[in-house]
Amino acid sequence: QVQLQQSGAELAKPGSSVKISCKASGYTFTSYYISWIKQTTGQGLEYIGYINTGSGGTNYNEKFKGKATLTVDKSSSTAFMQLSSLTPDDSAVYYCASGGTTTLFDYWGQGVMVTVSS
Amino acid sequence: DIVMTQAPLSVSVTPGESASISCRSSKSLLHSNGITYVYWYLQKPGKSPQLLIYRMSNLASGVPDRFSGSGSETDFTLKISRVEAEDVGIYYCGQLLENPNTFGAGTKLELK
Repeated sequence: QVQLQQSGAELAKPGSSVKISCKASGYTFTSYYISWIKQTTGQGLEYIGYINTGSGGTNYNEKFKGKATLTVDKSSSTAFMQLSSLTPDDSAVYYCASGGTTTLFDYWGQGVMVTVSS
Repeated sequence: DIVMTQAPLSVSVTPGESASISCRSSKSLLHSNGITYVYWYLQKPGKSPQLLIYRMSNLASGVPDRFSGSGSETDFTLKISRVEAEDVGIYYCGQLLENPNTFGAGTKLELK
């Protein structure tokens, strides 16, 4: 069965960066895109972007350009999202999700809580 | 960005009864290919969201047929017949027609 295993919770200082991972199993990694979604109590679910796991091509929500950088390592079936120049507004749960080109969010990881605090 | 507006914010249902959740989009989600790009997700307490319905009316794999989706170009409905305890959680609609993909604020379903 499809599984997406995300890395552990992060506590980061303002101005720093974090890189969270999403390891896929149970399917051919390059068959599905990997997307990233931010969840906060105030803003709900926000789409960050997706990466084409085969070509490495990316699609970002304009709001997250410059904030999030999506990459993949096909050899380990793992996708990564780096968040830079962190502020308290970046504190949230971040999910990865895999899916086809017109569904994107078929399967979800367990989420990673990122807390930005001095 | 396309705005997705859900109603009601919360609904309380007697087990065995049916429930309907509405979602309205700020523009048509009907593509020229005939597909309507609206999706429904359920986030159970303490869990990640899961896909329930894709492209307005298609049931995702493993989802009970008590769930159904319908709608027009801008108005959509998720219906749950014979609500069970396992259906408790927050339901989100979402659109994948345009970047950025956007979600509704969610509808919380509770049992009476």
